[in-house]
Amino acid sequence: GENVEQHPSTLSVQEGDSAVIKCTYSDSASNYFPWYKQELGKGPQLIIDIRSNVGEKKDQRIAVTLNKTAKHFSLHITETQPEDSAVYFCAAPHSAGNMLTFGGGTRLMVKP
Amino acid sequence: NAGVMQNPRHLVRRRGQEARLRCSPMKGHSHVYWYRQLPEEGLKFMVYLQKENIIDESGMPKERFSAEFPKEGPSILRIQQVVRGDSAAYFCASSPLSTGTLKNIQYFGAGTRLSVL
Repeated sequence: GENVEQHPSTLSVQEGDSAVIKCTYSDSASNYFPWYKQELGKGPQLIIDIRSNVGEKKDQRIAVTLNKTAKHFSLHITETQPEDSAVYFCAAPHSAGNMLTFGGGTRLMVKP
Repeated sequence: NAGVMQNPRHLVRRRGQEARLRCSPMKGHSHVYWYRQLPEEGLKFMVYLQKENIIDESGMPKERFSAEFPKEGPSILRIQQVVRGDSAAYFCASSPLSTGTLKNIQYFGAGTRLSVL
């Protein structure tokens, strides 16, 4: 099955700085990589995703990059704001189906 | 278009009781997934269902846990004879298709937080 590792587990940045979270996956057949943001007491919210036919995707202040050869993908948040503070999860699908395997999460704290 | 609806949001049970968690997928979605999240941990896949079918239950404990997604009504995750170790947040996700460009995209509900006393 798929194995997803996520780093760092916690990340503290100053407001306005950039934040980068990295994930590696094990199954070379995986072709879809979503990122979720989870605020306290809420469900995971899909914020951006990428498929393996592209190397980078941007949506305003967030971007995701994918390196299929190295089997890793990263979330980039620029000009961070206090409301970006949350736990972020990466995920990759099981090769056998549609289920997602999640990374362990990164707690991002943006200091005003 | 309402999102994925889960209820109850909070559920308290005593050891040995039954817990029933409900999930209504987004309109037009026919695929439902259940995940469990222990405190300070990531989400772990439990079961994947389509209407009237269990597609994959490889992540679900063999005993006490069951799931269904009937032709009419919400998906139900049922935990019999709950124990303290069942205390967790249970999330449901839905997706529209199993193939094509929308494959794998999953939208989550707000979860049910189960506490076993």
